[in-house]
Amino acid sequence: GAGVSQSPRYKVAKRGQDVALRCDPISGHVSLFWYQQALGQGPEFLTYFQNEAQLDKSGLPSDRFFAERPEGSVSTLKIQRTQQEDSAVYLCASTLRISDTEAFFGQGTRLTVV
Amino acid sequence: AQSVAQPEDQVNVAEGNPLTVKCTYSVSGNPYLFWYVQYPNRGLQFLLKYITGDNLVKGSYGFEAEFNKSQTSFHLKKPSALVSDSALYFCAVRDGRNDMRFGAGTRLTVKP
Repeated sequence: GAGVSQSPRYKVAKRGQDVALRCDPISGHVSLFWYQQALGQGPEFLTYFQNEAQLDKSGLPSDRFFAERPEGSVSTLKIQRTQQEDSAVYLCASTLRISDTEAFFGQGTRLTVV
Repeated sequence: AQSVAQPEDQVNVAEGNPLTVKCTYSVSGNPYLFWYVQYPNRGLQFLLKYITGDNLVKGSYGFEAEFNKSQTSFHLKKPSALVSDSALYFCAVRDGRNDMRFGAGTRLTVKP
């Protein structure tokens, strides 16, 4: 596609429910990032993939968070047993190369845990 | 790990005046520096980047940024602000093959 696509755009989950957020990066982009953004705040790093390899997952807040990119393209961020503090916008971004190219962001998935 | 600081939560300027949004960074190697803008209910949009070469880089919508290695800064500037420039601005740094980290953001308000 022309840009980074995230689905769903909005998700309401009951506390304790599992959710899966999908990111379709720009075709051919090597790097893929997941960020968590609270209202009016900067994107907080969650995890980073280079092709299918997850090189850094130090930002994942707990073991309830899991991300994968099995074929080096589409990525899924899964949150198990959602809690209210998980409510945020989850952003996905991709870059063409490893280091020096700008990131293209999706519109994000707004997760609300009730 | 690399990090970014944006010391000002809010910057207010009058339309037509120059604007500066500050950013300082910390990396262990050569930095790749970026500025992004976020309008309400919109995704982050790339403005400009510094990779190597001239310390003054020019980007979209008349914005520019100056890389200062000794001060580890990458301040965003525009000679004449527009009301439509009002938005959230984020500085980001990438260190070689590492992940990309963002600052907390600066809300720019340009008043008519």
